[in-house]
Amino acid sequence: DVKVTQSSRYLVKRTGEKVFLECVQDMDHENMFWYRQDPGLGLRLIYFSYDVKMKEKGDIPEGYSVSREKKERFSLILESASTNQTSMYLCASSPSASPDTQYFGPGTRLTVL
Amino acid sequence: GENVEQHPSTLSVQEGDSAVIKCTYSDSASNYFPWYKQELGKRPQLIIDIRSNVGEKKDQRIAVTLNKTAKHFSLHITETQPEDSAVYFCAASRTDKLIFGTGTRLQVFP
Repeated sequence: DVKVTQSSRYLVKRTGEKVFLECVQDMDHENMFWYRQDPGLGLRLIYFSYDVKMKEKGDIPEGYSVSREKKERFSLILESASTNQTSMYLCASSPSASPDTQYFGPGTRLTVL
Repeated sequence: GENVEQHPSTLSVQEGDSAVIKCTYSDSASNYFPWYKQELGKRPQLIIDIRSNVGEKKDQRIAVTLNKTAKHFSLHITETQPEDSAVYFCAASRTDKLIFGTGTRLQVFP
């Protein structure tokens, strides 16, 4: 069974704080993704990574950065949190075969006050 | 870039009826079309997918059809049950990157 875990289910931060969201997968997948999910907007891709130390911008990268120092771990960073970044954040991973099933983590609901 | 439109946004059916959700995509090079189900408070999970070399795929009560000429694909759920109630997302891709539709909230009433 593929396991994708995220560091927190719920997080409350203040405007201007630096926020780290962590994602870990245990299936040796090459690809990892960060999405945000908002009602009526579906799943929108923020950043993705094909390999360690590699990253690619998704559709809505502004205000975010990522880090992938190890294959199993992909971090999303909000450099200076703002209220419009209040959302559900979902991490996913997939094998290198392209394209293929993405396996999602449980999500982190972030509230920025 | 790729754009995926999904309809309807909400769908209510009586238990035992069929449900159909439709998606259209813009990139004619897309070749992979998965469907994800997200139950309330849970993570999205793949329920069925289809690749562009086939027109239809079935798995028990669910089926997906693909019309490459018209660039649309549909999810069909027969004999719906209350546990089918969830948000369903379609997606399209020709690379590792999936482009998702905006989701359909399906409610199945007993």
